[in-house]
Amino acid sequence: DQQVKQNSPSLSVQEGRISILNCDYTNSMFDYFLWYKKYPAEGPTFLISISSIKDKNEDGRFTVFLNKSAKHLSLHIVPSQPGDSAVYFCAASFSGNTPLVFGKGTRLSVIA
Amino acid sequence: NAGVMQNPRHLVRRRGQEARLRCSPMKGHSHVYWYRQLPEEGLKFMVYLQKENIIDESGMPKERFSAEFPKEGPSILRIQQVVRGDSAAYFCASSPGTGNYEQYFGPGTRLTVT
Repeated sequence: DQQVKQNSPSLSVQEGRISILNCDYTNSMFDYFLWYKKYPAEGPTFLISISSIKDKNEDGRFTVFLNKSAKHLSLHIVPSQPGDSAVYFCAASFSGNTPLVFGKGTRLSVIA
Repeated sequence: NAGVMQNPRHLVRRRGQEARLRCSPMKGHSHVYWYRQLPEEGLKFMVYLQKENIIDESGMPKERFSAEFPKEGPSILRIQQVVRGDSAAYFCASSPGTGNYEQYFGPGTRLTVT
């Protein structure tokens, strides 16, 4: 029973263009969402998060959008750079110190 | 500012042996989480600990697996009598636990059971 779903296993984008990674969740009680980036043989690196009281959070080239009614969030990377090529994981939790529930990840390839 | 430290980075064990994985959280962080990643899968929660207490172990198999976070020293994930299915990457994350819910991950321990 996958509570957090990333339906695109992979995505290719040209350098300089926008990358959009999508994530859906099924549990309406989740109220805190995070995106992580992961390189091979390394641990996930925290990118950006959003609380359910917001619908957008921005940090430099990274913006996360949250649509609570659709139970959907997306990560936008603008402009995409070759160094952004990695696996991106969406994660959800309940507010407070609770475990994260991860999607299976989307492999982003940014082509120069 | 040292990040989350895990050791060893790679561990090879024969079936039936014990595996001990160590995690030192970031300075000032008192909450530790262990996750496991199987090939081509996302990370799955195993156990959540604070100093000297297990808060949530709902993701940890009932047998052969145990975890601790003593008052002094690193958090330890222990797997007894390892089997081939235990081969995976094990990640530890820490958080400060006060108003900041972001978890910061270590580099992981890759366990291979032969």
